[in-house]
Amino acid sequence: NAGVMQNPRHLVRRRGQEARLRCSPMKGHSHVYWYRQLPEEGLKFMVYLQKENIIDESGMPKERFSAEFPKEGPSILRIQQVVRGDSAAYFCASSSRVSNTEAFFGQGTRLTVV
Amino acid sequence: GENVEQHPSTLSVQEGDSAVIKCTYSDSASNYFPWYKQELGKRPQLIIDIRSNVGEKKDQRIAVTLNKTAKHFSLHITETQPEDSAVYFCAASNAGANSKLTFGKGITLSVRP
Repeated sequence: NAGVMQNPRHLVRRRGQEARLRCSPMKGHSHVYWYRQLPEEGLKFMVYLQKENIIDESGMPKERFSAEFPKEGPSILRIQQVVRGDSAAYFCASSSRVSNTEAFFGQGTRLTVV
Repeated sequence: GENVEQHPSTLSVQEGDSAVIKCTYSDSASNYFPWYKQELGKRPQLIIDIRSNVGEKKDQRIAVTLNKTAKHFSLHITETQPEDSAVYFCAASNAGANSKLTFGKGITLSVRP
């Protein structure tokens, strides 16, 4: 049973470009959470999605950031017109249902904006 | 919203000693409290968790205690080993709501051989 898979592991983007981060949850998991981790800080919640639905996006910046979890395929976190402050590790976690709160994290995508 | 605070930010212990890491939370609706270990450049890994209907849980050298009245919970590691050196994060969530985790800022544990 493969764990949560994220790709790419490392992503370098120039300022103004778009970044697309992918997350495939564990088999059987339909709940996906995205977190951002700045250097030497804790993880900050960004968005919670179920298949085809955004449940809670209270942690997402109002502009340039969007997320989706289509019926088929991985969840995507999209950052448009990246700025240096977007440089961080982005982690995805999945769980099987709301009441089963054990969340398993992927390896993360380390985004560097140059 | 929930606010989780973690103290201290760094902790150094001698191999074989015990380590205790404390966290406080603010939202009385929180009912699930996991602890994650993160090694440099790696993913956070769940090491133990506790739900609000119990006060203590133990798994080999690791234990977690919860005081709902005071809104704090602690991680206890006994007989520490150098491989326990890592960053440890506590978190809190409201299972049954959307279960998003609110994390503390983490503590860097160093175990001196």
